[in-house]
Amino acid sequence: SQKIEQNSEALNIQEGKTATLTCNYTNYSPAYLQWYRQDPGRGPVFLLLIRENEKEKRKERLKVTFDTTLKQSLFHITASQPADSATYLCALGGDSGGGADGLTFGKGTHLIIQP
Amino acid sequence: DTAVSQTPKYLVTQMGNDKSIKCEQNLGHDTMYWYKQDSKKFLKIMFSYNNKELIINETVPNRFSPKSPDKAHLNLHINSLELGDSAVYFCASTLGTSAYGEQFFGPGTRLTVL
Repeated sequence: SQKIEQNSEALNIQEGKTATLTCNYTNYSPAYLQWYRQDPGRGPVFLLLIRENEKEKRKERLKVTFDTTLKQSLFHITASQPADSATYLCALGGDSGGGADGLTFGKGTHLIIQP
Repeated sequence: DTAVSQTPKYLVTQMGNDKSIKCEQNLGHDTMYWYKQDSKKFLKIMFSYNNKELIINETVPNRFSPKSPDKAHLNLHINSLELGDSAVYFCASTLGTSAYGEQFFGPGTRLTVL
């Protein structure tokens, strides 16, 4: 069956360091991968999208890589700040099944940036 | 202006009741979705809908039915509520008729079935 795993349920990082979150998937052939941020009591907010033919995408302090051979995406936050503390969700879409069938989400990693 | 809005934000009801959750988007998007986030925070697609087709996740009980009066609205009706239906329900939308673009999520509706 299709499966998405995010590296850990919680990740503690010291302020100023780079936080690296992992998303691994099996039994998928996604056309793209997205990362979302979710704060308590709120809906997910889109951060970045990377397509299967792209290796890396950047946006300000965020960087995403996508390795379709390893079936893995890495999400980096450089110069992390306490305000970056949130749950980060990996989502896959555009599988070979096709159609407007929404995104398949991982369970998320709860990131805590300690001052 | 709120891009994707849902009402109510909280819904507490008894088992066996029928309830509805409303969703509206003012982004001019073509496709709307309903997701369920359970107590373990796992976010799962329930439905996707555009003006041409409704795609239903096969695991969703037929007690759940989406209703779209127009392109900007996708409401969720739930019949004969069960304890296991307790969760947070999120509406989302995207531009176009495929899921290739970013999705905009509503604030969620926390449903508690007693």
